[in-house]
Amino acid sequence: SQQGEEDPQALSIQEGENATMNCSYKTSINNLQWYRQNSGRGLVHLILIRSNEREKHSGRLRVTLDTSKKSSSLLITASRAADTASYFCATHIGGTSYGKLTFGQGTILTVHP
Amino acid sequence: EPEVTQTPSHQVTQMGQEVILRCVPISNHLYFYWYRQILGQKVEFLVSFYNNEISEKSEIFDDQFSVERPDGSNFTLKIRSTKLEDSAMYFCASSEFLGETQYFGPGTRLLVL
Repeated sequence: SQQGEEDPQALSIQEGENATMNCSYKTSINNLQWYRQNSGRGLVHLILIRSNEREKHSGRLRVTLDTSKKSSSLLITASRAADTASYFCATHIGGTSYGKLTFGQGTILTVHP
Repeated sequence: EPEVTQTPSHQVTQMGQEVILRCVPISNHLYFYWYRQILGQKVEFLVSFYNNEISEKSEIFDDQFSVERPDGSNFTLKIRSTKLEDSAMYFCASSEFLGETQYFGPGTRLLVL
């Protein structure tokens, strides 16, 4: 089983629309982090949500976490063409894990101008 | 804003050759990581490093791999005898605290011929 699976795998929307990406995971976590990756580039940290938090906001980003369902969602409101990228969730399980992040496959978001 | 830097950005090598990938983590960070991403696949954890020793490593991180912090600023990943399947983007990351936000470098794209 995979820790950190996003859906959809690809999402295509028009500028101004909202984009929602989901992430599911298998084991209990300490926190969940969302990253963005522009094509062939590095990973940019977007937001970290801890296991005792349910929702966090950062600018146009809203992240929710449901530990009972082992799922998280990333909402980008009023999308822009510049939001076109791959988005990954990454889980940190804590405990004996020394900071290891486990990434999902990612969602490829395309925002059309 | 402080950032993680990596050199070189691209490296082409022959199978069996040794490569050293270099990273300069954010200066006040104490935890360092290497990840890799094979083209089209998810980002995979390789190793974490703290207090001058490996904290955790994945199954991928076999005897061909080693990490070192040779001075107060650099963090290196050495692959002793490269294989074709080592071709990937290698990312260095650092965090100030264990299990908290990891900041990634732009990556080194390694191609083994």
